[in-house]
Amino acid sequence: QVHLVQSGAEVKKPGSSVKVSCKVSGGTLSSYSINWVRQAPGQGLEWMGGIIPMFRRTNYAQRFQGRVTITADRSTNTVYLELTSLGPEDTALYYCAYYGSASPGWFDSWGQGTLVTVSS
Amino acid sequence: EIVMTQSPVTLSVSPGDRATLSCRASQSVSSNLAWYQQRPGQAPRLLIYAAVTRATGVPARFSGSGSGTEFTLSISSLQSEDFAVYYCQQYDNWPPYTFGQGTKLEIK
Repeated sequence: QVHLVQSGAEVKKPGSSVKVSCKVSGGTLSSYSINWVRQAPGQGLEWMGGIIPMFRRTNYAQRFQGRVTITADRSTNTVYLELTSLGPEDTALYYCAYYGSASPGWFDSWGQGTLVTVSS
Repeated sequence: EIVMTQSPVTLSVSPGDRATLSCRASQSVSSNLAWYQQRPGQAPRLLIYAAVTRATGVPARFSGSGSGTEFTLSISSLQSEDFAVYYCQQYDNWPPYTFGQGTKLEIK
Protein backbone atom coordinates (compact mmCIF):
# COMPACT_ATOMS: atom_id res chain seq x y z
CA GLN A 1 0.00 0.00 0.00
CA VAL A 2 1.46 3.34 -1.08
CA HIS A 3 1.57 6.06 1.57
CA LEU A 4 1.68 9.77 0.71
CA VAL A 5 2.70 12.43 3.23
CA GLN A 6 2.37 16.09 2.32
CA SER A 7 4.02 19.21 3.69
CA GLY A 8 2.26 21.53 6.10
CA ALA A 9 -0.16 24.40 5.66
CA GLU A 10 0.97 27.61 3.96
CA VAL A 11 -0.19 31.22 4.11
CA LYS A 12 0.83 33.32 1.12
CA LYS A 13 0.40 36.87 -0.13
CA PRO A 14 -1.30 37.56 -3.46
CA GLY A 15 1.21 37.50 -6.30
CA SER A 16 3.61 35.18 -4.51
CA SER A 17 4.36 31.49 -5.13
CA VAL A 18 3.94 28.32 -3.10
CA LYS A 19 5.71 24.96 -3.26
CA VAL A 20 4.05 21.91 -1.72
CA SER A 21 5.71 18.52 -1.32
CA CYS A 22 4.44 14.93 -1.35
CA LYS A 23 6.65 12.11 -0.08
CA VAL A 24 5.88 8.66 -1.45
CA SER A 25 6.61 5.41 0.40
CA GLY A 26 5.64 1.76 0.19
CA GLY A 27 4.26 -0.24 -2.70
CA THR A 28 5.71 -0.38 -6.19
CA LEU A 29 7.30 2.91 -7.02
CA SER A 30 8.34 2.18 -10.60
CA SER A 31 6.26 3.70 -13.41
CA TYR A 32 3.91 5.40 -11.00
CA SER A 33 2.26 8.77 -11.43
CA ILE A 34 1.72 11.44 -8.81
CA ASN A 35 -1.00 13.94 -9.55
CA TRP A 36 -2.20 17.09 -7.83
CA VAL A 37 -5.88 17.69 -7.19
CA ARG A 38 -7.18 20.77 -5.45
CA GLN A 39 -10.40 21.50 -3.59
CA ALA A 40 -11.52 25.05 -2.89
CA PRO A 41 -13.53 25.57 0.33
CA GLY A 42 -16.89 23.83 0.02
CA GLN A 43 -16.21 22.91 -3.61
CA GLY A 44 -15.43 19.82 -5.66
CA LEU A 45 -12.23 18.23 -6.91
CA GLU A 46 -10.11 19.72 -9.69
CA TRP A 47 -7.15 17.98 -11.34
CA MET A 48 -4.19 20.29 -11.86
CA GLY A 49 -1.53 18.06 -13.35
CA GLY A 50 0.71 15.07 -12.81
CA ILE A 51 4.15 13.56 -13.27
CA ILE A 52 5.62 10.12 -13.91
CA PRO A 53 8.93 10.48 -12.02
CA MET A 54 10.66 7.60 -13.80
CA PHE A 55 10.29 9.35 -17.15
CA ARG A 56 10.08 12.94 -15.82
CA ARG A 57 6.97 13.28 -17.96
CA THR A 58 4.45 15.89 -16.92
CA ASN A 59 0.90 16.80 -17.93
CA TYR A 60 -0.94 19.92 -16.84
CA ALA A 61 -4.51 21.11 -17.00
CA GLN A 62 -4.84 23.86 -19.58
CA ARG A 63 -6.17 26.39 -17.09
CA PHE A 64 -3.00 26.15 -14.99
CA GLN A 65 -0.51 26.11 -17.86
CA GLY A 66 2.22 28.66 -17.28
CA ARG A 67 1.51 28.92 -13.54
CA VAL A 68 2.11 25.37 -12.35
CA THR A 69 5.24 23.23 -12.30
CA ILE A 70 5.39 19.67 -11.03
CA THR A 71 8.80 18.14 -10.34
CA ALA A 72 10.13 14.97 -8.76
CA ASP A 73 13.22 14.05 -6.76
CA ARG A 74 13.62 10.32 -7.30
CA SER A 75 16.40 10.10 -4.70
CA THR A 76 13.92 11.01 -1.96
CA ASN A 77 10.71 9.79 -3.62
CA THR A 78 9.30 13.28 -3.26
CA VAL A 79 7.13 15.15 -5.73
CA TYR A 80 6.63 18.92 -5.68
CA LEU A 81 3.89 21.24 -6.85
CA GLU A 82 4.80 24.87 -7.42
CA LEU A 83 2.07 27.39 -8.18
CA THR A 84 2.95 30.99 -9.05
CA SER A 85 1.09 34.30 -9.26
CA LEU A 86 -1.21 33.29 -6.45
CA GLY A 87 -4.60 34.92 -6.06
CA PRO A 88 -7.35 34.56 -3.45
CA GLU A 89 -9.03 32.03 -5.77
CA ASP A 90 -6.07 29.68 -5.21
CA THR A 91 -7.03 29.27 -1.56
CA ALA A 92 -7.72 25.55 -1.38
CA LEU A 93 -6.74 22.15 -0.05
CA TYR A 94 -4.13 20.64 -2.33
CA TYR A 95 -3.97 16.84 -2.48
CA CYS A 96 -1.40 14.62 -4.10
CA ALA A 97 -2.84 11.41 -5.51
CA TYR A 98 -1.10 8.27 -6.77
CA TYR A 99 -1.73 5.78 -9.47
CA GLY A 100 0.58 2.94 -10.44
CA SER A 101 1.07 1.00 -13.64
CA ALA A 102 -1.61 -1.42 -12.44
CA SER A 103 -4.13 1.38 -11.93
CA PRO A 104 -3.68 3.78 -14.82
CA GLY A 105 -5.94 6.76 -14.39
CA TRP A 106 -7.72 6.17 -11.11
CA PHE A 107 -6.23 7.46 -7.89
CA ASP A 108 -5.94 4.70 -5.34
CA SER A 109 -3.88 6.55 -2.72
CA TRP A 110 -4.16 10.13 -1.56
CA GLY A 111 -2.11 12.40 0.66
CA GLN A 112 -3.66 14.07 3.68
CA GLY A 113 -3.96 17.44 1.93
CA THR A 114 -2.12 20.74 2.32
CA LEU A 115 -4.12 23.88 2.99
CA VAL A 116 -2.87 26.89 1.06
CA THR A 117 -4.39 30.21 2.09
CA VAL A 118 -3.83 33.28 -0.07
CA SER A 119 -4.55 36.49 1.78
CA SER A 120 -3.15 39.98 2.03
CA GLU B 1 -12.55 18.46 -22.11
CA ILE B 2 -15.08 15.89 -20.93
CA VAL B 3 -17.64 17.34 -18.54
CA MET B 4 -18.97 15.05 -15.81
CA THR B 5 -22.38 15.84 -14.34
CA GLN B 6 -23.66 14.19 -11.18
CA SER B 7 -27.22 14.01 -9.93
CA PRO B 8 -28.77 14.73 -7.62
CA VAL B 9 -26.67 17.37 -5.88
CA THR B 10 -28.03 16.22 -2.52
CA LEU B 11 -29.69 12.90 -1.73
CA SER B 12 -31.54 12.29 1.54
CA VAL B 13 -31.87 8.63 2.47
CA SER B 14 -32.66 6.80 5.70
CA PRO B 15 -30.12 4.42 7.27
CA GLY B 16 -30.72 0.87 6.08
CA ASP B 17 -32.23 2.02 2.78
CA ARG B 18 -30.67 1.96 -0.69
CA ALA B 19 -29.06 4.98 -2.39
CA THR B 20 -28.59 5.42 -6.12
CA LEU B 21 -26.25 8.13 -7.43
CA SER B 22 -25.88 9.07 -11.08
CA CYS B 23 -23.00 10.37 -13.19
CA ARG B 24 -23.21 11.43 -16.82
CA ALA B 25 -20.32 12.15 -19.19
CA SER B 26 -20.53 14.72 -21.99
CA GLN B 27 -19.10 12.09 -24.36
CA SER B 28 -18.39 8.40 -24.11
CA VAL B 29 -15.71 7.40 -21.60
CA SER B 30 -16.19 3.68 -22.22
CA SER B 31 -15.76 2.04 -18.79
CA ASN B 32 -12.98 4.37 -17.72
CA LEU B 33 -14.77 5.75 -14.71
CA ALA B 34 -14.00 5.81 -10.99
CA TRP B 35 -16.04 6.68 -7.90
CA TYR B 36 -14.68 8.24 -4.71
CA GLN B 37 -16.10 8.83 -1.25
CA GLN B 38 -15.09 11.89 0.77
CA ARG B 39 -16.04 12.16 4.40
CA PRO B 40 -15.83 15.55 6.17
CA GLY B 41 -12.25 16.55 6.88
CA GLN B 42 -10.81 13.59 5.00
CA ALA B 43 -9.12 12.99 1.66
CA PRO B 44 -11.11 11.23 -1.04
CA ARG B 45 -11.11 7.43 -0.95
CA LEU B 46 -11.31 5.24 -4.04
CA LEU B 47 -14.42 3.06 -4.10
CA ILE B 48 -14.89 1.83 -7.67
CA TYR B 49 -12.73 1.77 -10.81
CA ALA B 50 -13.35 0.56 -14.34
CA ALA B 51 -16.98 1.50 -13.67
CA VAL B 52 -17.83 -1.74 -11.84
CA THR B 53 -14.79 -3.01 -9.89
CA ARG B 54 -14.65 -2.43 -6.14
CA ALA B 55 -11.33 -1.22 -4.78
CA THR B 56 -9.53 -3.26 -2.13
CA GLY B 57 -11.34 -3.21 1.19
CA VAL B 58 -14.54 -1.60 -0.11
CA PRO B 59 -17.67 -3.30 1.30
CA ALA B 60 -19.86 -5.33 -1.04
CA ARG B 61 -22.83 -2.99 -0.41
CA PHE B 62 -21.14 -0.58 -2.86
CA SER B 63 -21.66 -1.39 -6.52
CA GLY B 64 -21.05 0.44 -9.78
CA SER B 65 -22.69 0.03 -13.15
CA GLY B 66 -22.87 1.64 -16.56
CA SER B 67 -20.68 2.38 -19.55
CA GLY B 68 -20.39 4.99 -22.25
CA THR B 69 -22.01 8.13 -20.87
CA GLU B 70 -24.30 6.91 -18.06
CA PHE B 71 -23.06 5.51 -14.75
CA THR B 72 -24.57 4.63 -11.41
CA LEU B 73 -23.19 4.08 -7.92
CA SER B 74 -25.49 2.08 -5.69
CA ILE B 75 -25.17 1.66 -1.97
CA SER B 76 -27.42 -0.94 -0.41
CA SER B 77 -28.40 -0.92 3.27
CA LEU B 78 -26.83 2.45 4.15
CA GLN B 79 -24.63 2.58 7.22
CA SER B 80 -23.91 5.74 9.24
CA GLU B 81 -20.37 5.93 7.83
CA ASP B 82 -21.71 6.04 4.25
CA PHE B 83 -23.13 9.54 4.62
CA ALA B 84 -20.55 11.57 2.74
CA VAL B 85 -19.90 13.27 -0.60
CA TYR B 86 -19.37 11.06 -3.65
CA TYR B 87 -17.49 12.02 -6.81
CA CYS B 88 -17.17 10.36 -10.19
CA GLN B 89 -14.03 10.81 -12.32
CA GLN B 90 -13.29 9.93 -15.94
CA TYR B 91 -9.87 8.79 -17.08
CA ASP B 92 -10.69 7.91 -20.67
CA ASN B 93 -9.67 11.15 -22.35
CA TRP B 94 -6.99 13.17 -20.58
CA PRO B 95 -5.49 15.59 -19.85
CA PRO B 96 -7.41 16.71 -18.03
CA TYR B 97 -8.83 14.07 -15.74
CA THR B 98 -12.24 15.45 -14.81
CA PHE B 99 -14.51 14.98 -11.82
CA GLY B 100 -18.20 15.47 -11.33
CA GLN B 101 -19.29 18.21 -8.96
CA GLY B 102 -20.25 15.68 -6.29
CA THR B 103 -23.37 14.28 -4.68
CA LYS B 104 -23.86 14.81 -0.97
CA LEU B 105 -25.55 11.81 0.65
CA GLU B 106 -27.27 12.93 3.82
CA ILE B 107 -29.31 11.27 6.52
CA LYS B 108 -33.07 11.59 6.08
